[in-house]
Amino acid sequence: DAMVIQNPRYQVTQFGKPVTLSCSQTLNHNVMYWYQQKSSQAPKLLFHYYDKDFNNEADTPDNFQSRRPNTSFCFLDIRSPGLGDAAMYLCATSRGPGTGEETQYFGPGTRLLVL
Amino acid sequence: GQQVMQIPQYQHVQEGEDFTTYCNSSTTLSNIQWYKQRPGGHPVFLIQLVKSGEVKKQKRLTFQFGEAKKNSSLHITATQTTDVGTYFCAGPNTDKLIFGTGTRLQVFP
Repeated sequence: DAMVIQNPRYQVTQFGKPVTLSCSQTLNHNVMYWYQQKSSQAPKLLFHYYDKDFNNEADTPDNFQSRRPNTSFCFLDIRSPGLGDAAMYLCATSRGPGTGEETQYFGPGTRLLVL
Repeated sequence: GQQVMQIPQYQHVQEGEDFTTYCNSSTTLSNIQWYKQRPGGHPVFLIQLVKSGEVKKQKRLTFQFGEAKKNSSLHITATQTTDVGTYFCAGPNTDKLIFGTGTRLQVFP
């Protein structure tokens, strides 16, 4: 089945220790998104890639970086995690605007705990 | 910037009661999407509305898009415990979605 996969599902890291979260998709979608979601809040968009074009949200801290080496994979790097970065990180994909299908398909998420 | 608000923030109902969540955008939308997120889960797409005044039904769920394409509602008839979760509306902004603040539904048996 075509899907969005995130690894790992749970990640524990230490304060200040870099961590990388991964996302892969078999949907062949043009756009891949990274969201941060904290308890009882809506997903907050960090950045997204339209093909190879990177689009950063204005309020995304520099501590968060992303890479998309190919269509299928996208990575979220947190260079120096702080306690406030503990959250669920959601990856999503879509075909993109003008395609007639702007629906976003979400992966199961990675829950990050910072000690 | 574009904002999408939902009310109420929380709703507790007895099983069998109806439930409605309202979504309001600060700007006119080309379409509105609705997602459901179960506790501990991820958002799952429910439906997309495109036309002004459009009404769509999915079993006990009725979705409506306002005439001005700035508001929308989701109504659930005779709630069941399986309806528990947070319901988000979302409106497109270029190649991204602006999510509403969400309405968390709790259903008591």
